[in-house]
Amino acid sequence: AQRVTQPEKLLSVFKGAPVELKCNYSYSGSPELFWYVQYSRQRLQLLLRHISRESIKGFTADLNKGETSFHLKKPFAQEEDSAMYYCALLGGSNYKLTFGKGTLLTVNP
Amino acid sequence: KAGVTQTPRYLIKTRGQQVTLSCSPISGHRSVSWYQQTPGQGLQFLFEYFSETQRNKGNFPGRFSGRQFSNSRSEMNVSTLELGDSALYLCASSLGGPETQYFGPGTRLLVL
Repeated sequence: AQRVTQPEKLLSVFKGAPVELKCNYSYSGSPELFWYVQYSRQRLQLLLRHISRESIKGFTADLNKGETSFHLKKPFAQEEDSAMYYCALLGGSNYKLTFGKGTLLTVNP
Repeated sequence: KAGVTQTPRYLIKTRGQQVTLSCSPISGHRSVSWYQQTPGQGLQFLFEYFSETQRNKGNFPGRFSGRQFSNSRSEMNVSTLELGDSALYLCASSLGGPETQYFGPGTRLLVL
């Protein structure tokens, strides 16, 4: 069975500091991984997907198959990055999105 | 382009009742997926519909069912409600598959 683990429920950093949100997965095939974000009082939205290999709002994520990780990184956090971040894996016999429990990021001024 | 809409936004029901939630996808999107979000279990996949057919299903009991109409609008039904069904129910639409989904605001269901 596929599983996504986000070990940190809460993460607090100061503005301008680097931030890394951790995501580990368990999956027997080739995973397709995503990061979703939910800002306060807004809808859940796609931030980035690993196959795009793009940087969105300064965030990047690299798939490390050896460590089965897909950590989200940003070199200089901004206050507007404060949000709930979810890592998700697409796959399985029923081709479904499996979400991690989420990490609440707070960027302090 | 209008986003995904869900109605109603809030709902209060009692145990044993049934409930129907509605989701209107983004125009042109043919895939609609449903998720349940609770503090304990997080976001869990319920099912996905594509062109009026259930294409994928999560691990939920048969009390949870859905359907999709020819205009891609989808409904989700929960029968014989239990306290544990209290949750935020999210709907997401996409053009073809779940790779790029757009989420609705959710329907918050409270079962008393």
